[in-house]
Amino acid sequence: AAGVIQSPRHLIKEKRETATLKCYPIPRHDTVYWYQQGPGQDPQFLISFYEKMQSDKGSIPDRFSAQQFSDYHSELNMSSLELGDSALYFCASSRRQGGLDGYTFGSGTRLTVV
Amino acid sequence: DAKTTQPPSMDCAEGRAANLPCNHSTISGNEYVYWYRQIHSQGPQYIIHGLKNNETNEMASLIITEDRKSSTLILPHATLRDTAVYYCIAKGYGGATNKLIFGTGTLLAVQP
Repeated sequence: AAGVIQSPRHLIKEKRETATLKCYPIPRHDTVYWYQQGPGQDPQFLISFYEKMQSDKGSIPDRFSAQQFSDYHSELNMSSLELGDSALYFCASSRRQGGLDGYTFGSGTRLTVV
Repeated sequence: DAKTTQPPSMDCAEGRAANLPCNHSTISGNEYVYWYRQIHSQGPQYIIHGLKNNETNEMASLIITEDRKSSTLILPHATLRDTAVYYCIAKGYGGATNKLIFGTGTLLAVQP
C-alpha cells in the first residue's frame, strides 16, 4: 500500500540558510500534519492543512511557513535556519479532518543545521 | 484533549505479553483513546484506537475500563521488533483541533 512520502530523507544546511521539506500524503487523504521532533524529545505539532487551507497551528516559529497544494502534497518552508532547528520533521496524513482513521506518518526528514 | 499519563519505561521478555497501561482520568465522552508507537527515529505508527469497547486487531488489543479513565494496550507475544516508545493519546472526533498531541510515552524494551 502507498505510504506517506517525505523528501528529502536527509538535509544538511548552514545557519541562516533556507530549507524546503516536502510531503506527499496517501492518495485520497485530504489532511496533512507537520511535526518536529528534537533529539530525545516527543513529536511536537507544528501545523496542519485540510483541503489546502490551514486548519490548525501549533508551536511553529514565524520563520517557518507551509502550504498544501492542489494535489494535496504539502511543503514546509524554513528560513533563517538556526542550530536549534536540527530535528526530525514528520509529516502525517489522514482522510477527512478529524476522522476516525488512523493517521499515517512518513519516515521523516532529518534536518541538520551546521 | 484529555491529558494521558504513562509509565516512562517497561521491560518485557520476548514471547510474553506486554501490557502497557495508560491513565486518562479526565477523558470526555467523545474522546477516543489512540495508541501509536515509534521505533527509534522512524515515523510514529498507528496501532489501535477505541472509544469504550475493547478492540483487537492484528497488532494488539485495547482494553478500556468501564469508567474510561484508564486503558491497557496488550501486545500478546512481544518480539524484539516491538521495542519502541508507545504513546497513548486521547483525541476527540472532528472539530477544529484534530491533531495528535504526543505526550511522554512508555519506552518498551523487549528482552531476549
